[in-house]
Amino acid sequence: DAGVIQSPRHEVTEMGQEVTLRCKPISGHDYLFWYRQTMMRGLELLIYFNNNVPIDDSGMPEDRFSAKMPNASFSTLKIQPSEPRDSAVYFCASSSGARKETQYFGPGTRLLVL
Amino acid sequence: EDQVTQSPEALRLQEGESSSLNCSYTVSGLRGLFWYRQDPGKGPEFLFTLYSAGEEKEKERLKATLTKKESFLHITAPKPEDSATYLCAVQAYSGAGSYQLTFGKGTKLSVIP
Repeated sequence: DAGVIQSPRHEVTEMGQEVTLRCKPISGHDYLFWYRQTMMRGLELLIYFNNNVPIDDSGMPEDRFSAKMPNASFSTLKIQPSEPRDSAVYFCASSSGARKETQYFGPGTRLLVL
Repeated sequence: EDQVTQSPEALRLQEGESSSLNCSYTVSGLRGLFWYRQDPGKGPEFLFTLYSAGEEKEKERLKATLTKKESFLHITAPKPEDSATYLCAVQAYSGAGSYQLTFGKGTKLSVIP
């Protein structure tokens, strides 16, 4: 299996622009998680889905952030408008099966908002 | 609120010098405690899951142990390729279908040849 795929790997944008991050989970996995990692706060859960349905979005920092999962093989995390404090590495992870508690992470998207 | 504290923040070891990393946690009901390894510029890589106090898991030079309040990651005779940030996370019983992880900030391990 190719593992969790994320794109783009790096994104540089200017404040106020819309940013869309993409994730393809491992085939057959029915849980998908979006995390944000910064030096100050470490790795934080933003939102997660089960069978394409958002279950808990309490970690989403504010209304500028939104996430969708239109089908089992694709999810997006959108920031509109972006701000410099959104600069971080964003990870997508997926899990399923008998070991649904074990999450497998993608390589991350490094976002820099100028 | 679930909390995870890892210590030390950074650790430098000589090759072959064994040591331990600590993960202290508070959680309402522990479903599992997880150890991940993260290399620079990459996503966390799953290492172990521990479910109950007294449980131990081993993989090559790494051994993870669990008590009711903390977990240790023991590194025996480390090699330079063991250099990475090691992350600890807990998963609590918080409702049906909830599998979210709460992570510590990690211990950055450097093994010097």
